[in-house]
Amino acid sequence: DAGVIQSPRHEVTEMGQEVTLRCKPISGHDYLFWYRQTMMRGLELLIYFNNNVPIDDSGMPEDRFSAKMPNASFSTLKIQPSEPRDSAVYFCASSTERRAFFGQGTRLTVV
Amino acid sequence: DQQVKQNSPSLSVQEGRISILNCDYTNSMFDYFLWYKKYPAEGPTFLISISSIKDKNEDGRFTVFLNKSAKHLSLHIVPSQPGDSAVYFCAASDGKSTFGDGTTLTVKP
Repeated sequence: DAGVIQSPRHEVTEMGQEVTLRCKPISGHDYLFWYRQTMMRGLELLIYFNNNVPIDDSGMPEDRFSAKMPNASFSTLKIQPSEPRDSAVYFCASSTERRAFFGQGTRLTVV
Repeated sequence: DQQVKQNSPSLSVQEGRISILNCDYTNSMFDYFLWYKKYPAEGPTFLISISSIKDKNEDGRFTVFLNKSAKHLSLHIVPSQPGDSAVYFCAASDGKSTFGDGTTLTVKP
């Protein structure tokens, strides 16, 4: 298996633009997580899905953030409109038990 | 309120010596604990875990100790190697994982 695949690896966008981050989890994993890593807040959970259903989105910072999982092999995290304080590395992870497998992350820079 | 804390942002040890990374948690509902290692420009990778019914788990050079009464766990690396230099995240799970802020370990040759 290729592991968790995230795209793009790097994204630079202007403030106010819409940003969409993509994730392909490992086949057979029934949990999918979106994390954000910043210097100030460390690695924080934004939202997670179980069997494509959002279970807990309490970590989503604002209504500007939304996440979907239309099927077991694809998820998106969208920010609209983006702001400079959204600049961070966004990780997607999937798991079938307690151990999570992370993608390589998307480094988002909002200027 | 941060439920998982790694109070040491960084740790530096000499090659061949022991590295001890610490983690404290507050939520008694956590029943599974994990350590992840992260290199720059990569996602965290699983290192070792322990269930709350155990107090020790060992895998090669890596050993995790759990003290439930103190709500404390630690990761021991013996002997430490320069390739162990990375950021180490502690995570506690009650179904979903809550991560600490990480400790940057530097192992000097």
